[in-house]
Amino acid sequence: AQRVTQPEKLLSVFKGAPVELKCNYSYSGSPELFWYVQYSRQRLQLLLRHISRESIKGFTADLNKGETSFHLKKPFAQEEDSAMYYCALSLNQAGTALIFGKGTTLSVSS
Amino acid sequence: DVKVTQSSRYLVKRTGEKVFLECVQDMDHENMFWYRQDPGLGLRLIYFSYDVKMKEKGDIPEGYSVSREKKERFSLILESASTNQTSMYLCASSRTGNNSPLHFGNGTRLTVT
Repeated sequence: AQRVTQPEKLLSVFKGAPVELKCNYSYSGSPELFWYVQYSRQRLQLLLRHISRESIKGFTADLNKGETSFHLKKPFAQEEDSAMYYCALSLNQAGTALIFGKGTTLSVSS
Repeated sequence: DVKVTQSSRYLVKRTGEKVFLECVQDMDHENMFWYRQDPGLGLRLIYFSYDVKMKEKGDIPEGYSVSREKKERFSLILESASTNQTSMYLCASSRTGNNSPLHFGNGTRLTVT
């Protein structure tokens, strides 16, 4: 069955420390993966997608098909990175079948 | 910039009431979605629509229905609200295509008493 697993509900780090938010997926097809972020009192929004291979706000995510993972990384966390992060997997070409993980809350303290 | 607008930020309704949650998007997106967001459960898809008058059930459609009479508007209906439908409801829209991101509204916090 297709699923997205984010094993950590909460990740707490100090400012300046490296961050890795884990995401594993289960899907037999060719995956299209995304990270979404929700800052306090703001709407959920796209952070990055694997096909773009971009770095947004210092975050990167590499698709590892062998490990079926799409971990989100940042070398030096900032307090403004504190938010809820969701990993998501698209299952069809139309983009109408998107599975979300349960989310990880990142808390960055000084 | 895409704007997805949900008509109410907070709603308080009584058990058994019929509840309408409205969502409008201004970017001519084909796809529209309704999710509920609950702590520890993440986002769960209730219904989605890929065209006017078309709708498809998501993972948790029970107790809900939807309406899409116009491309820009997607309504979620709780026929008879129950306390277990107390939640944050998120509307989203997207263009057709598996690389198209979802654009979310601000959410409606519904409390059913």
